[in-house]
Amino acid sequence: QKEVEQDPGPLSVPEGAIVSLNCTYSNSAFQYFMWYRQYSRKGPELLMYTYSSGNKEDGRFTAQVDKSSKYISLFIRDSQPSDSATYLCALGGGGSYIPTFGRGTSLIVHP
Amino acid sequence: DGGITQSPKYLFRKEGQNVTLSCEQNLNHDAMYWYRQDPGQGLRLIYYSQIVNDFQKGDIAEGYSVSREKKESFPLTVTSAQKNPTAFYLCASRRTGLQETQYFGPGTRLLVL
Repeated sequence: QKEVEQDPGPLSVPEGAIVSLNCTYSNSAFQYFMWYRQYSRKGPELLMYTYSSGNKEDGRFTAQVDKSSKYISLFIRDSQPSDSATYLCALGGGGSYIPTFGRGTSLIVHP
Repeated sequence: DGGITQSPKYLFRKEGQNVTLSCEQNLNHDAMYWYRQDPGQGLRLIYYSQIVNDFQKGDIAEGYSVSREKKESFPLTVTSAQKNPTAFYLCASRRTGLQETQYFGPGTRLLVL
């Protein structure tokens, strides 16, 4: 079993939809949680960072962490075609300096 | 502007040739990383360095080498021993403190002629 599971998709939604992207993990030592957005042939860009269970909101993006279920989510409200990208979750902490990345979910928002 | 630069954007390698990918950061980060990304795959760690003059192998170090002579620079050499080098290579650096986050460069795409 991989430490972090993330459905690769692709996830195709119409413009304006609410998108839910998820990762599950097995190592309860993870302490901080990140979401990156990666456009095709570009480097990943940090979107959200959270350290504790609960929700964190930034504009149209909400990151949610449920440590008891070992489940993290990224919600995108009013999705736009410009949101079409691959979204990677990354988890860190527990004494390691190296985050563990999910494989990424490909999101397509069509007009 | 603070950030991470990688060069070149595209690199072509001939059989038996060593090539070097450049990574420079002006974020004053101590730690730097090299990842390889293949289509449909996640990020795989090649090498990382927590401090100048020190580096550690990652999960797929065979066929690669690095150096860390300066805090700002972490070049990656793809040697002829790497038999399947075609991939997208990403350099990252890590901010420490309250938010332990990695920041990535724009990447270098390596192709074999």
